[in-house]
Parts: sequence; structure tokens; C-alpha cells
Amino acid sequence: NAGVTQTPKFQVLKTGQSMTLQCAQDMNHNSMYWYRQDPGMGLRLIYYSASEGTTDKGEVPNGYNVSRLNKREFSLRLESAAPSQTSVYFCASRVEGTGVGGQYFGPGTRLTVT
Amino acid sequence: AQTVTQSQPEMSVQEAETVTLSCTYDTSENNYYLFWYKQPPSRQMILVIRQEAYKQQNATENRFSVNFQKAAKSFSLKISDSQLGDTAMYFCAFHSTLYALNFGKGTSLLVTP
Repeated sequence: NAGVTQTPKFQVLKTGQSMTLQCAQDMNHNSMYWYRQDPGMGLRLIYYSASEGTTDKGEVPNGYNVSRLNKREFSLRLESAAPSQTSVYFCASRVEGTGVGGQYFGPGTRLTVT
Repeated sequence: AQTVTQSQPEMSVQEAETVTLSCTYDTSENNYYLFWYKQPPSRQMILVIRQEAYKQQNATENRFSVNFQKAAKSFSLKISDSQLGDTAMYFCAFHSTLYALNFGKGTSLLVTP
């Protein structure tokens, strides 16, 4: 049971380049999330997916797109990277039902856009 | 909109002592969940403790406990017998039934020998 996995762990992009961050979970969770973490800002929600086939915008969605490929996988795409997207990106999935158990996070991807 | 405020950007405590981290939140909802997450230098987000708003009893997990004051919208974390491995960023988070987690900006805790 690997939990939530993310690839890559580190990435450097030039302004204007594109890339996709991959996330997968093996806990059979329906809900999955993408957050970004910037210094002094805590974690902010980019997009989330309440179930396979559905996605919704979070607090900071501009410049990103997502795909919920299947129940396990939820990818985040930067079509044209900008320096303002330099951040650490976390994917998470959530236990549902009564007694919410909190979200389980991947190890994060540190992205630098030059 | 829900907001989560952590008013202590940095704190320090000596090993074996007790420290309390503060968190307040704002919401108009009645059913919600509160969490404390720990983020050590490894960057991994680790769930420390959770509290359901409908439960009056304060949650406890080993050396970690909370003081949940629903009327005051306060959710503080107490760490007893602090250990060097407790050095980390600590984030308070709020989860309603409608949405994802709202995080505070974090408190950096340093445990010194």
C-alpha cells in the first residue's frame, strides 16, 4: 500500500514550457485534490475531483488544468509555465463517509520556473 | 468563506516541556471537521489529530491533544513531553462537508535540547 504517490519530485521549467504532474492513490478514495504551497501562504487548493469524471476549481485555478483519468489518477497540467507558478505542489486524497479521517498527502513536487 | 488563522508564526520549546499552538477559524456552518497537520523538513504532510465539531470531547492522540472551543471557534494543539522530532511546521485546517481543506499559514515549532 503506497498511499499517494507523485511524480516527479523535482522539476525545473523555462517560462512558456508545459508539463504534467502525475498523482496516483491506491486507497480507493473517491476525492482527490491538488494544492500548492508557497512560503508564508500555507496550502491553497488549485483543483479537486469529488469522483471519477468530475473536476472543480479551487481557490487558485488560473494557469492550470486537471484530468481525473480514473479513480486512481489525478493529473495537473501547466500549459504555459510562468515564474509565479514556482511552488511546491501536493496531491491528496480523502477518506469519505461519516467520520472524515482527513486527507492523505503525497510527498510533493518542487517546481521551479525560470 | 471559511478562514483559518494561526497567530503564532514561530514558537520554541525545550525538550520534555509542553507547548500550545493556537488556531482560530471562522465559519457559519454547524457540521465540520478540524485537523492539525505536521510538516517536517522532509516536506511530507502528516495528519496529527482530528476533531469532529459535533463531538464535545476533545481529541487526544498520545502526546497530542486539542482544546476545542466551538463557541469561540478556537482549536488549539497541545504537545506534551516535546521531543526533538516534533520540530516542524504545524498547520491547522478546516474541512466542511462541502469542500476541501482550508489551511492556516502555519506555525514553525522548534524543539531545543
